[in-house]
Amino acid sequence: KQEVTQIPAALSVPEGENLVLNCSFTDSAIYNLQWFRQDPGKGLTSLLLIQSSQREQTSGRLNASLDKSSGRSTLYIAASQPGDSATYLCAVGSNDYKLSFGAGTTVTVRA
Amino acid sequence: EPEVTQTPSHQVTQMGQEVILRCVPISNHLYFYWYRQILGQKVEFLVSFYNNEISEKSEIFDDQFSVERPDGSNFTLKIRSTKLEDSAMYFCASPPRVGSDTEAFFGQGTRLTVV
Repeated sequence: KQEVTQIPAALSVPEGENLVLNCSFTDSAIYNLQWFRQDPGKGLTSLLLIQSSQREQTSGRLNASLDKSSGRSTLYIAASQPGDSATYLCAVGSNDYKLSFGAGTTVTVRA
Repeated sequence: EPEVTQTPSHQVTQMGQEVILRCVPISNHLYFYWYRQILGQKVEFLVSFYNNEISEKSEIFDDQFSVERPDGSNFTLKIRSTKLEDSAMYFCASPPRVGSDTEAFFGQGTRLTVV
């Protein structure tokens, strides 16, 4: 069974600092990996999808890397803003197309 | 961006009552999923649905749960006799197809409170 762990559980940084969020998974036979953003009491917004054959994906200030062999992914958010405050979830896709989620990292960006 | 729509956004029900949660997937999507998130816990897979039948279900998805696509557009999750521990956010998701390059689009969720 795939286990997904996200460290740290919470992170507080001043505005402008770069954010580094870590995700690890136990089974390297993944199909893809997706990063989501969740605001309090809200749904899941997809940020980035990395296919298993890829090493990284970029979208604006976001960059996600994937190292399948070591079972790790990292989400980098450059030049953080207060609007980036949210919980970020890592989800690993298997070949039966379902997602296994981590517990998330709750980010607070202080103005 | 296309949207998955869920209704209601919040439902309060008494223990033992039946509830139906509704999802309108993105048009032309064929794969549908239900996930749930108990407050403070991880998002958990419940069930996947393709071609009008369940393709996979988790151990959480016991006999009190059922899914169907009654009219070819809506996708519903029914809980027959709710328990306090069914209180959670329930999310519907649908990718346009299955493939490693395919993002899952999630709805905004239904918050179910069982009292």
